[in-house]
Amino acid sequence: NAGVTQTPKFQVLKTGQSMTLQCAQDMNHNSMYWYRQDPGMGLRLIYYSASEGTTDKGEVPNGYNVSRLNKREFSLRLESAAPSQTSVYFCASSEAGTGGRGYTFGSGTRLTVV
Amino acid sequence: AQKITQTQPGMFVQEKEAVTLDCTYDTSDQSYGLFWYKQPSSGEMIFLIYQGSYDEQNATEGRYSLNFQKARKSANLVISASQLGDSAMYFCAMRESHGNQFYFGTGTSLTVIP
Repeated sequence: NAGVTQTPKFQVLKTGQSMTLQCAQDMNHNSMYWYRQDPGMGLRLIYYSASEGTTDKGEVPNGYNVSRLNKREFSLRLESAAPSQTSVYFCASSEAGTGGRGYTFGSGTRLTVV
Repeated sequence: AQKITQTQPGMFVQEKEAVTLDCTYDTSDQSYGLFWYKQPSSGEMIFLIYQGSYDEQNATEGRYSLNFQKARKSANLVISASQLGDSAMYFCAMRESHGNQFYFGTGTSLTVIP
């Protein structure tokens, strides 16, 4: 089925460990995004990529890096995980413009840093 | 200033009754899109409804309608004939014409009571 595939679904890390969250979309969207969701705070943008080859910081980029590998794939890396990065992470993609169905989301990654 | 404000952290509604979830937004753009997403306990984000800033009629999608009051900058979601499966978090979001990202509210948790 067409959509956004995000892996892994669950992950437990120790403080200081690194990991990469993978995201791929097959809808030929130009724009891709990484959000984190914390209770009472909604979804906050970490990084986004408006098109292949470009990335920009969002609201909460500290402690994260991203790579737009090609049009389909957009990865999020935690170089040295901290307990404050315990969260649910969503990847999303969208068409350009203000209309349509907005984002298509991945199923989320529940990350716990101990 | 918050781009999207959802003032109801939690709501209860009797099964088969209608419920309105509030959303106000802040933008100086003339062209923008407003979206509602549903997040059930399983965690995925589900697109519900879209309203464009130039649309003169309120958007409807089945039991969902969007009460769009442009002058008041409000985009309330109305769910008619509530069902137990409507119990979930609901997020209001906006995309402006000049930007690339979506802005999300903090969400409203809806519980449908049998």
